[in-house]
Amino acid sequence: GAGVSQSPSNKVTEKGKDVELRCDPISGHTALYWYRQSLGQGLEFLIYFQGNSAPDKSGLPSDRFSAERTGGSVSTLTIQRTQQEDSAVYLCASSLSLAGNQETQYFGPGTRLLVL
Amino acid sequence: KQEVTQIPAALSVPEGENLVLNCSFTDSAIYNLQWFRQDPGKGLTSLLLIQSSQREQTSGRLNASLDKSSGRSTLYIAASQPGDSATYLCAVKDTPLVFGKGTRLSVIA
Repeated sequence: GAGVSQSPSNKVTEKGKDVELRCDPISGHTALYWYRQSLGQGLEFLIYFQGNSAPDKSGLPSDRFSAERTGGSVSTLTIQRTQQEDSAVYLCASSLSLAGNQETQYFGPGTRLLVL
Repeated sequence: KQEVTQIPAALSVPEGENLVLNCSFTDSAIYNLQWFRQDPGKGLTSLLLIQSSQREQTSGRLNASLDKSSGRSTLYIAASQPGDSATYLCAVKDTPLVFGKGTRLSVIA
């Protein structure tokens, strides 16, 4: 079956512009996560959605970052007024639920963002 | 704040060797621990998930152990192959996952 897909795979933008990154989770997965992986750094949690519950936004680095999930499926991560330090690989993951062995997270290939 | 450390940062071994990757975490109040593999330019692939009540999980040549009380996990790879070359990441489920920086493994043919 189809895995987690992300688009675009690569994005180059100019400092100050807004960007939107898209994630299509595995069909039927209720939990969706966004992470950021910067050069030389580990994965950094940004935000996660679980069903219809309010998202956990505790990892968002600033108010320039926001995310939404429409219809419990597709999610969009928006970065406003991009800065050079936003350059990173943005990874999306989904899991069947937050319970037990259904928590295994399946990752998409990521979007590589470069802010010039 | 949960911190996850992986040692070594990089490892190079000849094909056929058995090897151990180490992961330690500072807060033992975790729900589970996962080991992932990341190939260059790719996303992450889940290898093993160990629930907090479990001690180990096995999948093929991989065996992962969990000692919550000491805040440690090991990933054992038996009879390593060049195709095992990748970065291996350990992550603990606090809320949500907290990742280590990984161990870059190279298996030399």
